[in-house]
Amino acid sequence: SAVISQKPSRDICQRGTSLTIQCQVDSQVTMMFWYRQQPGQSLTLIATANQGSEATYESGFVIDKFPISRPNLTFSTLTVSNMSPEDSSIYLCSVTPTRLEAFFGQGTRLTVV
Amino acid sequence: DQQVKQNSPSLSVQEGRISILNCDYTNSMFDYFLWYKKYPAEGPTFLISISSIKDKNEDGRFTVFLNKSAKHLSLHIVPSQPGDSAVYFCAASAPQGGKLIFGQGTELSVKP
Repeated sequence: SAVISQKPSRDICQRGTSLTIQCQVDSQVTMMFWYRQQPGQSLTLIATANQGSEATYESGFVIDKFPISRPNLTFSTLTVSNMSPEDSSIYLCSVTPTRLEAFFGQGTRLTVV
Repeated sequence: DQQVKQNSPSLSVQEGRISILNCDYTNSMFDYFLWYKKYPAEGPTFLISISSIKDKNEDGRFTVFLNKSAKHLSLHIVPSQPGDSAVYFCAASAPQGGKLIFGQGTELSVKP
């Protein structure tokens, strides 16, 4: 298994500002994933973060809005930029040590006012 | 286009009985399927998974069944306990990249 530490666990932010979410894993992993869960919705993949290369974004998500860093094999950050109330969601990072298992951080509950 | 569907938003079961949570998918390229439990204000907790080359995987009280011809999988929890009350998500993984596609979730309530 993998233990993922994600912070902050929650935040309330003013619209127009940015928030950076950090994700630390207790082992080296090739890929890290960032998901969003909007209120009452399922989990949607934002992007895949690879060490040493640019992140790969899913349809509907762009780098200017959600810049991602992956400086090494145990750490990644996701920034939510120029926030609006529609960005209020739970943001989650995830790793997949094998194809048969995937583990998540505890999530960051973001409220934009 | 919803590639992974959980058509039951909620399920209520008596303690000690069986809980059956269902999931359908459309993409035949999915080769791994995973089930998660999620409490409010927490990240999803991995429960059990199955490869597409199998039709059943069992781990304690949890069993996942896969019917590839019907593109259907189910999670059985026996016996159900009040602590099992949570939202359950099924997820599918495609060969490229390992990303997960999630269903909408089913909220399970186990009554004492």
